[in-house]
Amino acid sequence: GESVGLHLPTLSVQEGDNSIINCAYSNSASDYFIWYKQESGKGPQFIIDIRSNMDKRQGQRVTVLLNKTVKHLSLQIAATQPGDSAVYFCAENAGGTSYGKLTFGQGTILTVHP
Amino acid sequence: GAVVSQHPSRVICKSGTSVKIECRSLDFQATTMFWYRQFPKKSLMLMATSNEGSKATYEQGVEKDKFLINHASLTLSTLTVTSAHPEDSSFYICSARLPRAPYEQYFGPGTRLTVT
Repeated sequence: GESVGLHLPTLSVQEGDNSIINCAYSNSASDYFIWYKQESGKGPQFIIDIRSNMDKRQGQRVTVLLNKTVKHLSLQIAATQPGDSAVYFCAENAGGTSYGKLTFGQGTILTVHP
Repeated sequence: GAVVSQHPSRVICKSGTSVKIECRSLDFQATTMFWYRQFPKKSLMLMATSNEGSKATYEQGVEKDKFLINHASLTLSTLTVTSAHPEDSSFYICSARLPRAPYEQYFGPGTRLTVT
């Protein structure tokens, strides 16, 4: 079946650097995408979302970019801090019969070194 | 707002016993809740969709008789792992959907189940 995947399983950055986490999706019917942060032993925490009619959305220190042409999603974190260290998942909603259900990507482990 | 709790946070049980995990939306009513399973260093896999007042919808490959789901009220869904075996050991996470925001899910803190 169609799924969401990530290019890089791990990412290590220095504190203060910008981080970019990538995600490839294969379901062209997906119309809503979300980035989640998951710390060890906890549930996912919403970071930012974007609908398919947009190509960029900004939040506090985070930006999500959507390229529907190549089915690519990215999360940019500005001035990365040690507290940003976690696993980051992208998730998609395919609509249709999958309305409201999320399919998660494999995750990227972000490690921020002080 | 939009807080979801789970109980217990950790449980250890013996093989063959059943375990119930509760998922509660604390400050909103959730007609739909979702149950996920997550293995170490893996992604979340949707197990089932829990709808208040009706039967749960299970994903392909998930045994409905093994993982019993009950959505008894607008703020509570329960997952019962019946006749648990060591391979059922996992991190179980629920989420609740806001009534007028069908795409937004808020996740609970998860329940670590260990079957010995």
